[in-house]
Parts: sequence; C-alpha cells; structure tokens
Amino acid sequence: EPEVTQTPSHQVTQMGQEVILRCVPISNHLYFYWYRQILGQKVEFLVSFYNNEISEKSEIFDDQFSVERPDGSNFTLKIRSTKLEDSAMYFCASSEPYREAFFGQGTRLTVV
Amino acid sequence: RKEVEQDPGPFNVPEGATVAFNCTYSNSASQSFFWYRQDCRKEPKLLMSVYSSGNEDGRFTAQLNRASQYISLLIRDSKLSDSATYLCVVNRGGGGADGLTFGKGTHLIIQP
Repeated sequence: EPEVTQTPSHQVTQMGQEVILRCVPISNHLYFYWYRQILGQKVEFLVSFYNNEISEKSEIFDDQFSVERPDGSNFTLKIRSTKLEDSAMYFCASSEPYREAFFGQGTRLTVV
Repeated sequence: RKEVEQDPGPFNVPEGATVAFNCTYSNSASQSFFWYRQDCRKEPKLLMSVYSSGNEDGRFTAQLNRASQYISLLIRDSKLSDSATYLCVVNRGGGGADGLTFGKGTHLIIQP
C-alpha cells in the first residue's frame, strides 16, 4: 500500500537553528500538506501546496517557515530560526483532489 | 463557535458495546468530511469519509447532517483495538487543496 514517508523521525535542534523536515508524498498525489501537533493539542494546518506553489497557509505559517518541492519526489518544510514553541510533531500529508489526505508517521521536533 | 467541536471524553466503554460520537462544524461551506483515528503519538489514519447519504464500513457507521452541521460516528461491537482518539475532520470548503480542520478528538477506551 502506498504511503507517505517522513525523515527524520525525531530531530533535536538548538533554538535559533534552521531545520529541514523531509517528506516523500504518495507518488500519484498532487496536493501536499504540512500539519503540526503540539503535545496534547489538536492537529493544526500549516500549509498546502499544489502545482509548485503554496495554495493556502495558516496564520501559524509565518516568514520563518517555507516549503519546497526540490525534485519530483520530495517535499520539504524549512524552519529558518527555530523557537522553543516550534517543538511539536510535524506531519506531512498528500491527497488527490477533493479526496482524503494520507499522513506520514511524523517528525518529532524538539527545540532546546 | 469553534470550527470543529467534539466531546473530548474519555468514553470508557465495555468490550462489545456500541458507542457513538458526535461532532459539529461551523463552516457551512465545508464540502468534505472525515473521521480519522489517532493512536498515542502516531499519525492520524483515515477511518472513513462521511457522505450525506450516510455510509457504513463493517462495524462503523458515519452520518452527516448538513442542515444541522453535524457529523456522527457509530461503532458497534467495540473491540479492545478500537481504543484510540477519534478525530472529526472537515474540509474548509472551496478547492481540493484547502487545508483540513481537525477537532480536538474524542478519546475512547474499550475495557475488557
């Protein structure tokens, strides 16, 4: 069964450092997403990406965040200067148009 | 009114019982509706999409009431493996690339 894969599974970084979270969406999907979940809280939408550009972003997705599809398979989320409050589980997801999203297993980001 | 609202529980239910969850959503333009389940520290996994006519998948039945902006999930003959957090998820409306809005989830504990 096709699945979304994410690397690394856990990333520890110092405050102020840049991190890049990587995702390989399901191959025939065209819509890609990043979500995050702070421990004990609900899953929150960050950004959606289609046709090599951002189609929607939330208020959480400020100038510190960026996304990129550097090649035909990878989809990345970059946080330029991490803050303590960026510590969370980050989920990548992909979907076909108007269809359900499938999530990767997540990257746990810990900012110290 | 919160975008997607669920009773957080926990629901403690004996094995074999029937349990029902409800969810309300505020955006009348929403077009797609889903139930996901999430195990502790894992990614959300699609349980089922929800259609206006109602749909059933084995022991699980989902209903949508657009007029009342209300979604339900019924689990019959509950199993120990059904213990998880159940997430009500709503598309914000518009194009297929719109981000999903998650409820905080309802925590279900099936007791032997």
